[in-house]
Amino acid sequence: QSALTQPASVSGSPRQSITISCTGTSSDVGAYNYVSWYQQHPGKAPRLMIYDVTYRPSGVSNRFSGSKSANTASLTISGLQAEDEADYYCSSYTTSGTVVFGGGTKLTVL
Amino acid sequence: EVQLVESGGGVVQPGGSLRLSCAASGFNFRIYAMNWVRQAPGMGLEWLSGMSGSGSTVITSYADSVKGRFTISRDNSHNTLYLQMNSLRAEDTAVYYCARDEGWLQGFDYWGQGTLLTVSS
Repeated sequence: QSALTQPASVSGSPRQSITISCTGTSSDVGAYNYVSWYQQHPGKAPRLMIYDVTYRPSGVSNRFSGSKSANTASLTISGLQAEDEADYYCSSYTTSGTVVFGGGTKLTVL
Repeated sequence: EVQLVESGGGVVQPGGSLRLSCAASGFNFRIYAMNWVRQAPGMGLEWLSGMSGSGSTVITSYADSVKGRFTISRDNSHNTLYLQMNSLRAEDTAVYYCARDEGWLQGFDYWGQGTLLTVSS
């Protein structure tokens, strides 16, 4: 199972919006609405930000939103804040009954 | 408060074995699916294995990279998840996290702090 494809890095200024893409195949992202997004600050454990493509866990800011079209999922962060600077990973359930992660995207808040 | 605490990491020689543990508290452990995810130094996340919660049939799943070498198990009476790792290789060096599942491989809503495994001679 190949990793999902994410851009290595994205950047944005405070109060701007950014979108991180996550491209898979018809065997993972395109097969189910089971895409999740995680935020990871250096030296910390990942934190679930989005699950089932569009749902936010309790406690996650509504500045974070998710979407999907065909084999590509996206995470949008609006109103960028300094604390959003982190690594972001997507993941998807696969038709093989496993989970595959993306390679990760480093978000820099300028 | 949900807590997951991994233990058992350390330094192991190539070809060796080790068992990781994940002690869970603050939730009804037996009904939740649980997973192991690792992160090699400076690298991304890699899902390794998942195990369903209590039910008529227990389901396990493994990534191809560890199938046949790693075994996931759980002791619901002690709220503990395990990962038995055999035939360890240098490329297994990583921080190993346990994570609670939202459903079945749908999203991991709570994570432990991780335990470091170093495979080196």
